[in-house]
Amino acid sequence: DAGVIQSPRHEVTEMGQEVTLRCKPISGHNSLFWYRQTMMRGLELLIYFNNNVPIDDSGMPEDRFSAKMPNASFSTLKIQPSEPRDSAVYFCASSSQGALNSPLHFGNGTRLTVT
Amino acid sequence: TQLLEQSPQFLSIQEGENLTVYCNSSSVFSSLQWYRQEPGEGPVLLVTVVTGGEVKKLKRLTFQFGDARKDSSLHITAAQPGDTGLYLCAGAPGNDYKLSFGAGTTVTVRA
Repeated sequence: DAGVIQSPRHEVTEMGQEVTLRCKPISGHNSLFWYRQTMMRGLELLIYFNNNVPIDDSGMPEDRFSAKMPNASFSTLKIQPSEPRDSAVYFCASSSQGALNSPLHFGNGTRLTVT
Repeated sequence: TQLLEQSPQFLSIQEGENLTVYCNSSSVFSSLQWYRQEPGEGPVLLVTVVTGGEVKKLKRLTFQFGDARKDSSLHITAAQPGDTGLYLCAGAPGNDYKLSFGAGTTVTVRA
């Protein structure tokens, strides 16, 4: 079991640039979550997909953020244009039944720094 | 305001000592989960407590769910340096899928 795979591990970019974060969930898991972690706000849920369909994106900060899940084995989180306040660690997590009924498996995150 | 309040925020103890971390809320949860996160990694699930008053043990870790299902505690007996990490509680009020996390307790166990 390779676990949830995220790339890149680190991303440093300048304000205004487009950033794309990638996630490969665990095979067979039908729920995928994107979280953001900062010292100030802790772990915040950004968006939740079930069977590749976005179910709840109410946590997405603003229109600069978008997420897609074109198939069961791949998801992206895009920020365009990026701003310094977007600096955080972004986690992707997957589960087989949704957050309450089975454990969330997290990737190792992408540390984003926007200068 | 956090849905789940964790205390203390930081805890530094000597190897062999005991410690307790608390997770409190004014909301009722169908279940609460505890995760541990190490630097540079994602959180890893330790346990899920489901029944009010439930006590679960995982080696030297003891987890308790409050009778009213609004709070939980994690007790570590004879802490080891390997227990060092960020401990997070998480839950969703009612039967929502939106898992909310507490801010976490950073535990440091000194050798």
